[in-house]
Amino acid sequence: GENVEQHPSTLSVQEGDSAVIKCTYSDSASNYFPWYKQELGKRPQLIIDIRSNVGEKKDQRIAVTLNKTAKHFSLHITETQPEDSAVYFCAASLGGSYIPTFGRGTSLIVHP
Amino acid sequence: GAVVSQHPSWVICKSGTSVKIECRSLDFQATTMFWYRQFPKQSLMLMATSNEGSKATYEQGVEKDKFLINHASLTLSTLTVTSAHPEDSSFYICSAKTTTSGSWNEQFFGPGTRLTVL
Repeated sequence: GENVEQHPSTLSVQEGDSAVIKCTYSDSASNYFPWYKQELGKRPQLIIDIRSNVGEKKDQRIAVTLNKTAKHFSLHITETQPEDSAVYFCAASLGGSYIPTFGRGTSLIVHP
Repeated sequence: GAVVSQHPSWVICKSGTSVKIECRSLDFQATTMFWYRQFPKQSLMLMATSNEGSKATYEQGVEKDKFLINHASLTLSTLTVTSAHPEDSSFYICSAKTTTSGSWNEQFFGPGTRLTVL
């Protein structure tokens, strides 16, 4: 089955800095890679996703890059703000089966 | 759109009792719902996939007789933790998938249920 590794487990940055979270996956057939943000005690919320026919996608301060050859994808957050503090999960799934495999999560702390 | 609710949001029960958690898709039909378990500071662990009108598919290591899942309609799935024990204390989250073209593969999560077994 699919295996998703996520690093780092904890990331601490100063407000205004950039933050990068990296994930690798094992199943080359995976073709959908969502990123979720989960605030303490709340539900995960999709913040951005990318499909395997795209190398990069951007939405305001958030961007995701995908390298299919190396089987890794990354989340980039620029100009971080304290409200960006949360746990971020990457996931990978195969379109047909849909069920995503989640990474272990990255706790992002943005210091004001 | 694509709102998923869960009830209750939290529950405290005595060891040995059973607890039912409901997951509803409020504004769409969900042929498939997923149940996850999340321990503090850990990732989402898929417990089972719930399909409307059929038996749930459980992940390896999840006891189907302990975690009963029923998906009786296109908008409701229930998870019953039977004979709960303290080690079952966790955050249980459901999710549902829509089939609209604008949300390919996206799943929407419920707000979660915090279960504490004394």
